[in-house]
Amino acid sequence: AQSVTQLDSQVPVFEEAPVELRCNYSSSVSVYLFWYVQYPNQGLQLLLKYLSGSTLVKGINGFEAEFNKSQTSFHLRKPSVHISDTAEYFCAVSYPAAGNKLTFGGGTRVLVKP
Amino acid sequence: DAGVIQSPRHEVTEMGQEVTLRCKPISGHNSLFWYRQTMMRGLELLIYFNNNVPIDDSGMPEDRFSAKMPNASFSTLKIQPSEPRDSAVYFCASSLGASSYEQYFGPGTRLTVT
Repeated sequence: AQSVTQLDSQVPVFEEAPVELRCNYSSSVSVYLFWYVQYPNQGLQLLLKYLSGSTLVKGINGFEAEFNKSQTSFHLRKPSVHISDTAEYFCAVSYPAAGNKLTFGGGTRVLVKP
Repeated sequence: DAGVIQSPRHEVTEMGQEVTLRCKPISGHNSLFWYRQTMMRGLELLIYFNNNVPIDDSGMPEDRFSAKMPNASFSTLKIQPSEPRDSAVYFCASSLGASSYEQYFGPGTRLTVT
């Protein structure tokens, strides 16, 4: 069965500091990978996605993620966070054979402190 | 584009009552997903449709839950009878189709069953 693990449930970080959110998935076949962000009291919004090609993917709001097939990871990074980045971040995986169904990780809550 | 529209945004009901949640996907999108989000269980896929046809309902908790998509622009999720453990935020999402992996989420319906 597909699974996605986000190793950190909460990540406190100071404004203008870098942040990395970890995501690992289980699969022996090709995958598609996503990061979504959920601001308070809102739905999820796509940050970035990896379908194929370059393993370094750039998304909105200065975020980027790197696909590492050997480590089955897709960690999300931002070099300098803002207060407005306070939100919950979800990693998700889809498998071509599974159609467009997504499996989400448990989420990582990022709290940016001034 | 108005995005995915959900109604109501908030619903408070008593145990045993019927609850109907509504979703209007983005025009032209052929896939529709219903999710439930709770602190304990995170984000769970309940059911999804492609071209108005239910493809996977394995996430529907039990027979009290039912979902319909009578046409391409409308879907409902019904709980009958409702129970306190159904309290959660219910999200609807849509995507272009079976080969499109980017899902667009609605703002959610916060359901409280007392």
